[in-house]
Amino acid sequence: KAGVTQTPRYLIKTRGQQVTLSCSPISGHRSVSWYQQTPGQGLQFLFEYFSETQRNKGNFPGRFSGRQFSNSRSEMNVSTLELGDSALYLCASSLIGEQFFGPGTRLTVL
Amino acid sequence: AQSVAQPEDQVNVAEGNPLTVKCTYSVSGNPYLFWYVQYPNRGLQFLLKYITGDNLVKGSYGFEAEFNKSQTSFHLKKPSALVSDSALYFCAVRGNNAGNMLTFGGGTRLMVKP
Repeated sequence: KAGVTQTPRYLIKTRGQQVTLSCSPISGHRSVSWYQQTPGQGLQFLFEYFSETQRNKGNFPGRFSGRQFSNSRSEMNVSTLELGDSALYLCASSLIGEQFFGPGTRLTVL
Repeated sequence: AQSVAQPEDQVNVAEGNPLTVKCTYSVSGNPYLFWYVQYPNRGLQFLLKYITGDNLVKGSYGFEAEFNKSQTSFHLKKPSALVSDSALYFCAVRGNNAGNMLTFGGGTRLMVKP
């Protein structure tokens, strides 16, 4: 079974731009969660989608948004990028219980 | 609110020796506890979980963890460390009503020296 895939793997943007990251969960998994990983703040939960509905949301500004499609694929969008948004963005899918993580998208904001 | 503490930023151990990576948690209700490992430039790999049942949980690559409810701890252990175990380890907790939202500790870097 294929694992969680994230595209792109690396991204460089400049301040003020917006970015869209994509996540394809493991086949059959309906829950997709997003996390931000930075050296200073560690791993922080962004949001979770289940059956196209946002089920949980972390403490991030409204510039961070997401959505899930009927095939469970998910996207997250960050608008008006700031330098502090530079991070590894991890997506995880879950069927029951444990979460399986993708390799992440490394976003660098210049 | 739920929280996880990993009190050691780094743990150093010689190859062949036992290792322990510490984790304490705070959550309302019964906890769901997890350990993940991260290698450089990679995502997180699942090691093991505690949901209910035996306090000693066995996981991947020879790792195990001991759940202690009175001390609210979930320490990761391995009887004999390998150099290839060197990586970043994360403890995480999920509450009963949190969907799949995980709260992670700050991570502990494990260095196993030959």
